[in-house]
Amino acid sequence: KQEVTQIPAALSVPEGENLVLNCSFTDSAIYNLQWFRQDPGKGLTSLLLIQSSQREQTSGRLNASLDKSSGRSTLYIAASQPGDSATYLCAVRDAGGTSYGKLTFGQGTILTVHP
Amino acid sequence: NAGVTQTPKFRILKIGQSMTLQCAQDMNHNYMYWYRQDPGMGLKLIYYSVGAGITDKGEVPNGYNVSRSTTEDFPLRLELAAPSQTSVYFCASSFTGRAFFGQGTRLTVV
Repeated sequence: KQEVTQIPAALSVPEGENLVLNCSFTDSAIYNLQWFRQDPGKGLTSLLLIQSSQREQTSGRLNASLDKSSGRSTLYIAASQPGDSATYLCAVRDAGGTSYGKLTFGQGTILTVHP
Repeated sequence: NAGVTQTPKFRILKIGQSMTLQCAQDMNHNYMYWYRQDPGMGLKLIYYSVGAGITDKGEVPNGYNVSRSTTEDFPLRLELAAPSQTSVYFCASSFTGRAFFGQGTRLTVV
């Protein structure tokens, strides 16, 4: 059974800091990994998608890396801003076996960036 | 381009009532998912489907049923609603890439 863990559960930083969010998963047979953002009371917005054959993806101030063999991904946010405050979730899609296609989420990291 | 559409957005049910949460996508995605999210928690998978006619249980399927007769639609049925089913429900779809989410249905069972 795939299990996804995110560390830390919560993070509070001053504006301008660079920060790293961590995601680990137990089964390395994944198809892809996604990072999402969720604002309070809202739905999920996809930030970055990394296919299993890729090592990293970048979008603006966001960079996500994937080490499939060790079951880890990191989301790096450069020069954080108050508008980055949200919950960040990672999710892995299983590649094979009986759970093919299953999309499993971590519990999320609540990020607060204060001015 | 509507993406993933969930209806209704809000609903209050009495204990023991039944209802169907609707989910439709117009992107011809073969994968579809139903999740519930309790306050302060992550998303827990209820059911998912890898194509029309194929469904499978997730982590928390008890008290729910699904069907997938078409590629576009993936309704979630609640039978005999219980207070423990009070939650926000999200539907999602994907193909080979990103998963797209609906805006959610906030359900309260009283």
